[in-house]
Amino acid sequence: DVKVTQSSRYLVKRTGEKVFLECVQDMDHENMFWYRQDPGLGLRLIYFSYDVKMKEKGDIPEGYSVSREKKERFSLILESASTNQTSMYLCASSFEAGGDSYEQYFGPGTRLTVT
Amino acid sequence: ELKVEQNPLFLSMQEGKNYTIYCNYSTTSDRLYWYRQDPGKSLESLFVLLSNGAVKQEGRLMASLDTKARLSTLHITAAVHDLSATYFCAGQRDAGGTSYGKLTFGQGTILTVHP
Repeated sequence: DVKVTQSSRYLVKRTGEKVFLECVQDMDHENMFWYRQDPGLGLRLIYFSYDVKMKEKGDIPEGYSVSREKKERFSLILESASTNQTSMYLCASSFEAGGDSYEQYFGPGTRLTVT
Repeated sequence: ELKVEQNPLFLSMQEGKNYTIYCNYSTTSDRLYWYRQDPGKSLESLFVLLSNGAVKQEGRLMASLDTKARLSTLHITAAVHDLSATYFCAGQRDAGGTSYGKLTFGQGTILTVHP
C-alpha cells in the first residue's frame, strides 16, 4: 500500500512565524503535491514537484515556498505565517509513468491554525 | 485552464433514496477522479474514469463520464448512513505531459444521509 505521511496532524502557530510542513512518501513516486483545503473551495494546488530539486507553482503559491532535497520528502514552508493561511494542508504523491499510474495518493492532512 | 464545478454543494438524503452528484468541467480533461473524505480524514480514491462513456460501480456508488458534455456523475443508490461524507470530483489534463498529473478539484459535495 502507498503510504503518505505528514509530520503533524494539528499545528498552532503565531503570525509572523516560519512554519515547516513535511511530507514523506514510501512508494518512490516522482511527483509530489501540496494542496490547501478550505470549505466551499475544494482543494487548491499550492506547489508541486516532479523531481528532486525541481518545483513548479500551482494555482495559489503566494506566501509559500517548497523544498525537495530527497525524492521521498517534500516540504511546504510558510516564510511568515499569516491568519489567512489557517487551513487544512494536504500532501499527495503519484508516479510519473503512464496508464492509471497518475492517480494521486493523499496524506492525512495537517490542520494549521495561525493566531 | 481547467475549471471544475460540482453541484449540489450540500445534499441531505433519506436512507433508501437515490440521488446524483454532478461534476461539470470547462475544457478537455484526460481523466476524471472521484474521491471521498470523511470528517477529519484524508481523501480516499473512489473511481478513475478514463474515457467517454466510462462507467464504474462500487457498492451503492456508480460513476460515469460523458466527455462530449464535459460531465461526470456520481449516482447513489438506496443511500445508507455510512455514505455520509464529502465527495470531490477532480479533473486531470495532459497527465503525461508538462502538467505532471496536476488535479483540479471541484468544491466538494457534503452528503448527509438521515434515517
